[in-house]
Amino acid sequence: NAGVTQTPKFRVLKTGQSMTLLCAQDMNHEYMYWYRQDPGMGLRLIHYSVGEGTTAKGEVPDGYNVSRLKKQNFLLGLESAAPSQTSVYFCASSSGLAGVETQYFGPGTRLLVL
Amino acid sequence: LAKTTQPISMDSYEGQEVNITCSHNNIATNDYITWYQQFPSQGPRFIIQGYKTKVTNEVASLFIPADRKSSTLSLPRVSLSDTAVYYCLVGRSNDYKLSFGAGTTVTVRA
Repeated sequence: NAGVTQTPKFRVLKTGQSMTLLCAQDMNHEYMYWYRQDPGMGLRLIHYSVGEGTTAKGEVPDGYNVSRLKKQNFLLGLESAAPSQTSVYFCASSSGLAGVETQYFGPGTRLLVL
Repeated sequence: LAKTTQPISMDSYEGQEVNITCSHNNIATNDYITWYQQFPSQGPRFIIQGYKTKVTNEVASLFIPADRKSSTLSLPRVSLSDTAVYYCLVGRSNDYKLSFGAGTTVTVRA
């Protein structure tokens, strides 16, 4: 039982390049989330999904897109990376809304945009 | 959603009790309070959740006063392995809205 896994663990991009971060969970959770974590700012919700085929915007969605084609996977895309997107990205999953259900987090992806 | 504010850092010694207070003045009726622990290079991990009064589990206690404008995470008899960042989360029970605090770095010394 791996829980929540994220790929890749670390990536360096040049401004304007694109990439996709992959999140996978094996807990059969309906809800999945993408956060970014910046120093002094805690975690901020980028996008979330309440089930296969559904996605919705969170607090800071600009510059990111997501897809949930399979229940166990949640992809985060950066179409044209900017230095402001340098951050640590965390994926999480839960059986219900994050406000009341335990979220299970992945180990994170460190992204550096030059 | 309620803005969450917590101290940046706290120092303690092994065997002491550590209390971390989170302020959430504008908390709504539908909001719950959850605390997460994060070690370096890992994702946050659930510690405890509450709505009002006091909640206790095997690792921590959560005190929430009647007005719910703050909450206090209590870690009894800390050890070196409790050195981590602790996050307060206020989240809504009927929609996606949530607010993480900036985190409190707790350092436990021998």
